[in-house]
Amino acid sequence: GENVEQHPSTLSVQEGDSAVIKCTYSDSASNYFPWYKQELGKRPQLIIDIRSNVGEKKDQRIAVTLNKTAKHFSLHITETQPEDSAVYFCAASYTGGENKLTFGTGTQLKVEL
Amino acid sequence: GAVVSQHPSRVICKSGTSVKIECRSLDFQATTMFWYRQFPKQSLMLMATSNEGSKATYEQGVEKDKFLINHASLTLSTLTVTSAHPEDSSFYICSASASSTDTQYFGPGTRLTVL
Repeated sequence: GENVEQHPSTLSVQEGDSAVIKCTYSDSASNYFPWYKQELGKRPQLIIDIRSNVGEKKDQRIAVTLNKTAKHFSLHITETQPEDSAVYFCAASYTGGENKLTFGTGTQLKVEL
Repeated sequence: GAVVSQHPSRVICKSGTSVKIECRSLDFQATTMFWYRQFPKQSLMLMATSNEGSKATYEQGVEKDKFLINHASLTLSTLTVTSAHPEDSSFYICSASASSTDTQYFGPGTRLTVL
């Protein structure tokens, strides 16, 4: 089955700096890669996703890049703000089947003033 | 965006009892619903995949007789934890999608504590 690795497990940045979180996946059939933000005790919220037919997608301060050959994808957050502090999860799935998401282990992002 | 609700948000029960958790898609028809379990400071682990009108597909290591899943309509799936034990205490989260190519939207989760 699919295996998703995520790094780093914790990340501290100063407000205004950029944050980068990286994930690798093992199953070359995976074609859908969402990123979720989860605050303590709350539901995961989809912040951005990318499908395998594109290499990059951007939404305001958030961008995701995908390298299918290397089987890795990354989340980039620019101009970080304290409200960006949360746990971020990457995930991968194959939408041609049941679209079961395999999650990474999560990154605790802390944006310091 | 799509809205998924879950009920109850918190439940405390005695060991040996059964607990039912409901997951509803409020503004779309969910052909597929997923049930996850999340232990403190850990990732989401898929327990089972539920398609409307058919039997759920369980992930390896998840006991189907202990975690009963019913997906009777396109807007409702239920998870029943039978004969709950303290080690079943966890955060249970459902998600729903309108199709296999569609985004999964998550419910707010249910905090289960078994005494």
